[in-house]
Amino acid sequence: EVQLVESGGGLIQPGGSLRLSCAASGFTVSSNYMTWVRQAPGKGLEWVSVIYSGGSGGTTYYADSVRGRFTISRDSSKNTLYLQMNSLRAEDTAVYYCARGDCSSPSCYVWHVWGQGTTVTVSS
Amino acid sequence: DIQMTQSPSSLSASVGDRVTITCRASQSISNYLNWYRQKPGKAPNLLIYAASSLQSGVPSRFSGSGSGTDFTLTISSLQPEDFATYYCQQSYSTPITFGQGTRLEIK
Repeated sequence: EVQLVESGGGLIQPGGSLRLSCAASGFTVSSNYMTWVRQAPGKGLEWVSVIYSGGSGGTTYYADSVRGRFTISRDSSKNTLYLQMNSLRAEDTAVYYCARGDCSSPSCYVWHVWGQGTTVTVSS
Repeated sequence: DIQMTQSPSSLSASVGDRVTITCRASQSISNYLNWYRQKPGKAPNLLIYAASSLQSGVPSRFSGSGSGTDFTLTISSLQPEDFATYYCQQSYSTPITFGQGTRLEIK
């Protein structure tokens, strides 16, 4: 069964760091486009970052709101996706979802499988 | 950045009704448009990709159409589980962007 399970969320003070994990089963993370999407309380979906399949590490892109503070990566040996979040701000408070893209669609940026989400709260 | 605008922002309807949600892109995105349904407290779920392709396992009451800048999601006969929030998303280029959402409520 194809599944994504996020972990690593929690309460963190402004300026702090947190690393989210997204453990995959039923498929290989490094062979797929993978993304992080977040949702602030009561708000809509906001794309955060994407990592492309293949290569050593893969091409990455970020939303302007997180570029320079967040880093997406993966560990093939653990079949896990990560989001390292530094210099956290109150506006980063959200549920963070990881998702898998499917390049059999016309675009690889189609998110077919989602995790259940992990909650990050940035507050003093 | 490509801006995605959905209308309406909210909608009241009854079980069995036919409803249509619209999504407009700020520039042409060909057919790189996807629709998701999100139930309260749950992750989004892909319904339609490439503007009109039904995702495997999604009921046939869902359909999508459009190309260029204007797109629609139609639910032919609302079921209780369809009362949720719907999002469009462009998959044409980064930054990937979502519409603001359409909340579908029971009348």
